[in-house]
Amino acid sequence: GAGVSQSPSNKVTEKGKDVELRCDPISGHTALYWYRQSLGQGLEFLIYFQGNSAPDKSGLPSDRFSAERTGGSVSTLTIQRTQQEDSAVYLCASSSRREYQETQYFGPGTRLLVL
Amino acid sequence: GNSVTQMEGPVTLSEEAFLTINCTYTATGYPSLFWYVQYPGEGLQLLLKATKADDKGSNKGFEATYRKETTSFHLEKGSVQVSDSAVYFCALPLTGANNLFFGTGTRLTVIP
Repeated sequence: GAGVSQSPSNKVTEKGKDVELRCDPISGHTALYWYRQSLGQGLEFLIYFQGNSAPDKSGLPSDRFSAERTGGSVSTLTIQRTQQEDSAVYLCASSSRREYQETQYFGPGTRLLVL
Repeated sequence: GNSVTQMEGPVTLSEEAFLTINCTYTATGYPSLFWYVQYPGEGLQLLLKATKADDKGSNKGFEATYRKETTSFHLEKGSVQVSDSAVYFCALPLTGANNLFFGTGTRLTVIP
């Protein structure tokens, strides 16, 4: 497809387990973003990748969160030892250039529920 | 740093009513301003944007004008439809950062 895709669409896990969330950006987009949308709250920036540069991890809430981007394309967000407060919708977005004023295109999100 | 303050919802309107969702910004310089929309069960998508002061963004009957005098980017539509029911987010780039700052979102419900 032409858009950003994310998998799984829904994930239910038990507290303490690790989860991996995947994002496939739009082909050719060099910038990739992860956000978190918690119930009743706005979007919270997590991490940003641009090409082969070191990622901007300034939004990651704790060291349980990490992300990687392989080959400048697919990205995986990993949450270790999940907690109930990690329950949220995790959104991935990509854009065509480094300039942050470019339009970001969002995937449908992964809804994570930690029991 | 850059930020937006968005009108809190929820907003409920009858079909064909006039819509205004307020958004004011604080920014260094004149960054691009965005409105994103999230329809039920879908991801965020860009609704419209304005890249410089005094620009007007428009799409699907929605409009927003980048007003530097009032530091505002209010979203308007003259006649809403049931299909416009969604959550609307105002956004702008963070100062010196690589990501967008989103408002808290305004849920709009349009009733027939």
